Amino acid sequence: NAGVTQTPKFQVLKTGQSMTLQCAQDMNHEYMSWYRQDPGMGLRLIHYSVGAGITDQGEVPNGYNVSRSTTEDFPLRLLSAAPSQTSVYFCASSYGLAGGPIYFGPGTRLTVT
Amino acid sequence: AQSVAQPEDQVNVAEGNPLTVKCTYSVSGNPYLFWYVQYPNRGLQFLLKYITGDNLVKGSYGFEAEFNKSQTSFHLKKPSALVSDSALYFCAVIQLSRRVSNFGNEKLTFGTGTRLTIIP
Repeated sequence: NAGVTQTPKFQVLKTGQSMTLQCAQDMNHEYMSWYRQDPGMGLRLIHYSVGAGITDQGEVPNGYNVSRSTTEDFPLRLLSAAPSQTSVYFCASSYGLAGGPIYFGPGTRLTVT
Repeated sequence: AQSVAQPEDQVNVAEGNPLTVKCTYSVSGNPYLFWYVQYPNRGLQFLLKYITGDNLVKGSYGFEAEFNKSQTSFHLKKPSALVSDSALYFCAVIQLSRRVSNFGNEKLTFGTGTRLTIIP
């Protein structure tokens, strides 16, 4: 199993540009989520999904969209990039959140200038 | 609302000495508690979890954690530190929803992380 994969690993955007961060898992996990990691703030939940066709907002959803058309894929879309979205983004998945553990992807380092 | 506090941004320990990384939590119900480790330029890796039962939980790489309900703490410990233990450690908590049919109520909240440095 490849586990949780993310692309790209690095990305530089200009303010106002849009892009999609890709995330895929091959473990047949129902639960998938996106976090952003910022210095001194730990990880904050952006959006999550409990299954194909079901998504919900996390702690910091503004400026981001998600969709879950298949069990395997959970892309994160930045609609109009802002410097405040400069961060490291992690995708994660699990069979069921309460049961744990959660498996994390390697991360995408995004810089918005 | 649930929250997690890691009071120390940085912990330095000499190799071979015991180590403790502190975590306290706040939830209104019963917590599920986790420790994750992050090595440089990597995603988070699961170390251990407390769901119920024995207050002392053993995990990967010789780590253990003690759940203390009265002090609302879940400190990470290891009897003898290795240089390879140097990493960023995150504590996390889930507050379970009473509405078990609503899966989406169980959201993981992370602490701000503690950087552990083991000095040779």
